[in-house]
Amino acid sequence: AQSVSQHNHHVILSEAASLELGCNYSYGGTVNLFWYVQYPGQHLQLLLKYFSGDPLVKGIKGFEAEFIKSKFSFNLRKPSVQWSDTAEYFCAVIEGLSGYSTLTFGKGTMLLVSP
Amino acid sequence: NAGVTQTPKFRVLKTGQSMTLLCAQDMNHEYMYWYRQDPGMGLRLIHYSVGEGTTAKGEVPDGYNVSRLKKQNFLLGLESAAPSQTSVYFCASSYDRIYEQYFGPGTRLTVT
Repeated sequence: AQSVSQHNHHVILSEAASLELGCNYSYGGTVNLFWYVQYPGQHLQLLLKYFSGDPLVKGIKGFEAEFIKSKFSFNLRKPSVQWSDTAEYFCAVIEGLSGYSTLTFGKGTMLLVSP
Repeated sequence: NAGVTQTPKFRVLKTGQSMTLLCAQDMNHEYMYWYRQDPGMGLRLIHYSVGEGTTAKGEVPDGYNVSRLKKQNFLLGLESAAPSQTSVYFCASSYDRIYEQYFGPGTRLTVT
């Protein structure tokens, strides 16, 4: 079974700092990759996704992520965070070709942005 | 469009009681999912459905049952609640297995 690892459980940044959240997965074949965000008290929303093509994908609210196949990584970045980015961030992976696999989530990274 | 809705939003049960959580989606999605979210554990898949009348087990199915009698609804049942089932439950749906999942607002369940 595939696994997803998010390296940081908690990250604290000041406004305007740059953000990079790590995500690594275990499956070596074709994968579809996602980053979801959960704002306090809310449900998960999609930030961005990668299926194929340009490994640098841009999402909503200025977020982007880079797929590096050789490193099995899909790290999330934002050049300058805002207080409103305080949330929990989840990386998720699904095997692209298997007809039976399901989405696997990482354990999440809680981001706190101080004003 | 309401997207994905869940009822109830909150519930408190005593050990041994039963209950059903209802999930409804208006996007005509084939795939529906039930997850539980616990602190530090991320989201774990309980059961899922690939279409009306079908269900399948996920990562943590024990103690739960599901039914998908109508395409737009996916029910999660707890026959005999246990304190270990205290959690936040999220329903999700998607057009296809590999595509984006849309999540409901969640149900916070406490079992005492």
